[in-house]
Amino acid sequence: NAGVTQTPKFQVLKTGQSMTLQCAQDMNHNSMYWYRQDPGMGLRLIYYSASEGTTDKGEVPNGYNVSRLNKREFSLRLESAAPSQTSVYFCASRGQPNQPQHFGDGTRLSIL
Amino acid sequence: QKEVEQNSGPLSVPEGAIASLNCTYSDRGSQSFFWYRQYSGKSPELIMFIYSNGDKEDGRFTAQLNKASQYVSLLIRDSQPSDSATYLCAGLGGAAGNKLTFGGGTRVLVKP
Repeated sequence: NAGVTQTPKFQVLKTGQSMTLQCAQDMNHNSMYWYRQDPGMGLRLIYYSASEGTTDKGEVPNGYNVSRLNKREFSLRLESAAPSQTSVYFCASRGQPNQPQHFGDGTRLSIL
Repeated sequence: QKEVEQNSGPLSVPEGAIASLNCTYSDRGSQSFFWYRQYSGKSPELIMFIYSNGDKEDGRFTAQLNKASQYVSLLIRDSQPSDSATYLCAGLGGAAGNKLTFGGGTRVLVKP
């Protein structure tokens, strides 16, 4: 059971570089989410997609863009990475309303 | 004021004792609540969710919801060292709509 798959698991970037974090789910879920987790800050929502074809900003969207490529895939792009974006990034998905979210294993991103 | 509040801990519990975790929320429109466990360096995993006032039991875990007082709690009976982790409380609904709002988490340490 793959569930939610994130790639890569680790990445080191230099300031100003760009990259895309990939997320795919095989549970036929409608909603997908991107979070970042920093020490002492808990999980903060960056962007989410309630259904295929829609995306909305979360709590901390600045510096990020997203694409809901299809029902399975939801990518997060950093156009010009900054040290403040060093964090652990989690993708999650959910099926029906009132159902729990399922998380991927995370991407640990360091920006020098 | 955060919408979902948790004591960051650490909550130190002797092995075999009951660990009691509390979570308060400010949005009265929140309808569902979720408890996730997160081991260090890992992704959050769902323990329980609760929609209705009262208690819900699953094995050694009991979730309690009191909508009038706006608090959610998690009891862990017969605590084991493997229960040592950070526990995240999350609310769904209300002003946040289709998104989960997470508390900062409570770190639990179970000492043999």
